[in-house]
Amino acid sequence: KQEVTQIPAALSVPEGENLVLNCSFTDSAIYNLQWFRQDPGKGLTSLLLIQSSQREQTSGRLNASLDKSSGRSTLYIAASQPGDSATYLCAVTGGSQGNLIFGKGTKLSVKP
Amino acid sequence: DVKVTQSSRYLVKRTGEKVFLECVQDMDHENMFWYRQDPGLGLRLIYFSYDVKMKEKGDIPEGYSVSREKKERFSLILESASTNQTSMYLCASRGTPFYEQYFGPGTRLTVT
Repeated sequence: KQEVTQIPAALSVPEGENLVLNCSFTDSAIYNLQWFRQDPGKGLTSLLLIQSSQREQTSGRLNASLDKSSGRSTLYIAASQPGDSATYLCAVTGGSQGNLIFGKGTKLSVKP
Repeated sequence: DVKVTQSSRYLVKRTGEKVFLECVQDMDHENMFWYRQDPGLGLRLIYFSYDVKMKEKGDIPEGYSVSREKKERFSLILESASTNQTSMYLCASRGTPFYEQYFGPGTRLTVT
C-alpha cells in the first residue's frame, strides 16, 4: 500500500531564505506527483504537477524535483516571503484507480 | 481557470439531521472526489466518481453516500449526521489520472 511521508512536519525560517521541503513515497509505480499549498481553513491550491517521466517542474520561485527510483520529491522555494507561510502537501497518483495519496504536510512559517 | 465551488463554507447541523454538501466544477472533468480532512489524520478519500451516475467507495465511506446526476455536480450526503462527522470537507475534480486535481474551498461542517 502506497504511503507518502513529509518531513519535517513544521518548519520556521527567516524571510529571504531558500528552503527545501521533502516528500517520500514507498511505491515507485506512480503516474505523477503533485504539490499543493493550503492556507488555514481553506482548500488546496495546486502548485506543481510532475509527470512520472519528468525530473522537475518550475513555476516562479518554486522548483519541484522527482526521483521515482528512490521514491523522493523535493519542493524548493527560493527567497522565501512571509506570504509563503502555509501548509504544503505532496500527493502521488497511482494504483489501479489512479487516485491521489497524500502526505500529512509540512507547515511552513516564514518570519519577517 | 478551473473552478470548483462548494455550496457552503460553514455549516452547523444537529445530530441525526440529513446533510447535503454540493460541489460543482466548470471544466467538464470526468472525475470528482470527496475528502475529509482532520488534524493529525490528513486528507482521507470518502467517495469518488468517474462519470455520471457512477460512484466508487474511497477509504472511509461509512456513514456517507453520494450522488452524481450531472457531470458537473457531485453531492455528498450524510444520511444521519453524527458528531464524529464534524470535519472539513473538500471536493475536487480532475480530467484524467495524468492531469492536475483541483480542489474547492472546503466546507467546515460542525455537528452538535
